[in-house]
Amino acid sequence: QIVLTQSPAIMSASLGERVTMTCTASSSVSSSYLHWYQQKPGSSPKLWIYSTSNLASGVPARFSGSGSGTSYSLTISSMEAEDAATYYCHQYHRSPPITFGAGTKLELK
Amino acid sequence: DVQLQESGPDLVKPSQSLSLTCTVTGYSITSGYSWHWIRQFPGNKLEWMGYIHYSGSTNYNPSLKSRISITRDTSKNQFFLQLNSVTTEDTATYYCARGELGRGWFAYWGQGTLVTVSA
Repeated sequence: QIVLTQSPAIMSASLGERVTMTCTASSSVSSSYLHWYQQKPGSSPKLWIYSTSNLASGVPARFSGSGSGTSYSLTISSMEAEDAATYYCHQYHRSPPITFGAGTKLELK
Repeated sequence: DVQLQESGPDLVKPSQSLSLTCTVTGYSITSGYSWHWIRQFPGNKLEWMGYIHYSGSTNYNPSLKSRISITRDTSKNQFFLQLNSVTTEDTATYYCARGELGRGWFAYWGQGTLVTVSA
């Protein structure tokens, strides 16, 4: 199965700071099949970015995604308080099984 | 709008079976998409469990294949999870979700239900 490794596991950022987190796959994943979710405590994960770089409905434009092959990233151009959450990457390319990364917890500094 | 809602017991004894229902509103589960069960363990690891395709075919995580069954009742627009021979390690929040065919993202999730396995 494809293992997705997210780094860092925990990070903190100040308001206005640029944030980048990464998702590394153990084998190549087509960019069409790599997605990101945002989850806040007590809530279900929400689709955030699909197919590497497409923002889901309602996601602010300060978010972006990029990558190919085994290396993917999610970037926030300017951190806002509401962005504090855990972000998970997810691959559907080589399944079963579908797999998720362990998450990056983003905190406000 | 599409909504999914999990229901079922919140406490199951070890060695018994865990059974959950996902009720879907706003879209027929026979019209399209795949319909998934995903769980999140304490500590927040997410594990995909399996799905039932709108055609009725199923696909399971190999790590669970001997214990899991996903079925549906099309008249009630519901799909079901059964997990047999549970242990304390099956304690988790269980989510149902709709999967995009082909590229597989999950745009719709239920609110989740915490199931605890304990004697």
